[in-house]
Amino acid sequence: SAVISQKPSRDICQRGTSLTIQCQVDSQVTMMFWYRQQPGQSLTLIATANQGSEATYESGFVIDKFPISRPNLTFSTLTVSNMSPEDSSIYLCSATGQSTDTQYFGPGTRLTVL
Amino acid sequence: DAKTTQPPSMDCAEGRAANLPCNHSTISGNEYVYWYRQIHSQGPQYIIHGLKNNETNEMASLIITEDRKSSTLILPHATLRDTAVYYCIVRVFGAGNKLTFGGGTRVLVKP
Repeated sequence: SAVISQKPSRDICQRGTSLTIQCQVDSQVTMMFWYRQQPGQSLTLIATANQGSEATYESGFVIDKFPISRPNLTFSTLTVSNMSPEDSSIYLCSATGQSTDTQYFGPGTRLTVL
Repeated sequence: DAKTTQPPSMDCAEGRAANLPCNHSTISGNEYVYWYRQIHSQGPQYIIHGLKNNETNEMASLIITEDRKSSTLILPHATLRDTAVYYCIVRVFGAGNKLTFGGGTRVLVKP
């Protein structure tokens, strides 16, 4: 299984600022994904992070608000831009290994926007 | 992906088997049943998946009905650390295929 780490684990940010979340996998993976989990809710997929090309966003999520990078097979970043209190959530990274279909998740980044 | 229906919550006694049901009546032939759980303040943890045969690993057993319209996740000897939200997801096999999370079942293991 892939071991996934995220930085930061939590942050408290001011309205109008941006935060970049990093996701690091301990082995090369084929697919990487970013999810959001709002308080008391289930997980919602934000986008698929594509290596070497633009991310594929789900309905309701746009690149200007959630720019994503994936410069190589083990690393991705998600930026939450121009934050508002409604962006307060847990943001989770997941990845699928090269030899398996199973998706593994990072521990999440708990974001609070004041 | 087919939709799943799970009870919102259930309690079980420590040391006893926990049987978690999931309905997926619109599942198609190429969709697998996956189970994940999310312990409070952690990322989801993969448990098990299957297509049509029953599956067992070190964490749990997965029983899928013959018509594949429902399944049951069995935790053979529940411990307090099994308290979590359990998600049943149906998904086409393939690394690029996304997971769609429903509401899950909140399981509370009681001493």
